[in-house]
Amino acid sequence: AQSVTQLGSHVSVSEGALVLLRCNYSSSVPPYLFWYVQYPNQGLQLLLKYTTGATLVKGINGFEAEFKKSETSFHLTKPSAHMSDAAEYFCAVSRNTGNQFYFGTGTSLTVIP
Amino acid sequence: ETGVTQSPTHLIKTRGQQVTLRCSSQSGHNTVSWYQQALGQGPQFIFQYYREEENGRGNFPPRFSGLQFPNYSSELNVNALELDDSALYLCASSPRSREETQYFGPGTRLLVL
Repeated sequence: AQSVTQLGSHVSVSEGALVLLRCNYSSSVPPYLFWYVQYPNQGLQLLLKYTTGATLVKGINGFEAEFKKSETSFHLTKPSAHMSDAAEYFCAVSRNTGNQFYFGTGTSLTVIP
Repeated sequence: ETGVTQSPTHLIKTRGQQVTLRCSSQSGHNTVSWYQQALGQGPQFIFQYYREEENGRGNFPPRFSGLQFPNYSSELNVNALELDDSALYLCASSPRSREETQYFGPGTRLLVL
């Protein structure tokens, strides 16, 4: 079975500070992992994904995430928060057949000026 | 290349009514997935269609049904609407492979009164 846990439903950071959004997964097969961002009243936009290969994945807008198999984690980071990063962030794992996604409950990021 | 489009953007229905939501997939994508996103929650997988056949279903009752057409566009039908069906309904298209990104449309916001 696959599932995703996002620790912290709300995270606040100051502009210019480090952003860290946590995601842990469970999967019966090697996981394919994704981070999506959702701005108000919009659909989901892909930030980055891990399938195979290098465990440190770089995405759009300066975000990156590291797949750590031993910790079953795929935390999202950005060195310096920008006001435009304020949004809802979702971690997802791809099911082992087809590509049906299981999403976490999301983390709302607030950036304080 | 056009992205995923959904119609309508907003919809208001009353309990017991039926609703049809539509999705046009991104060019070249043969798989369409539907998700329900309740307020403050992550998207929940409803079902997926691949080449006009249902290819997996989440924990949703049979009154949620769908279709995929030869051009890979899709419909989500919900019968006997309940108040809890109020949500944002997201359509995502992708190639079928598990590691492939799902591309999301902007969603249809359904309100059931």
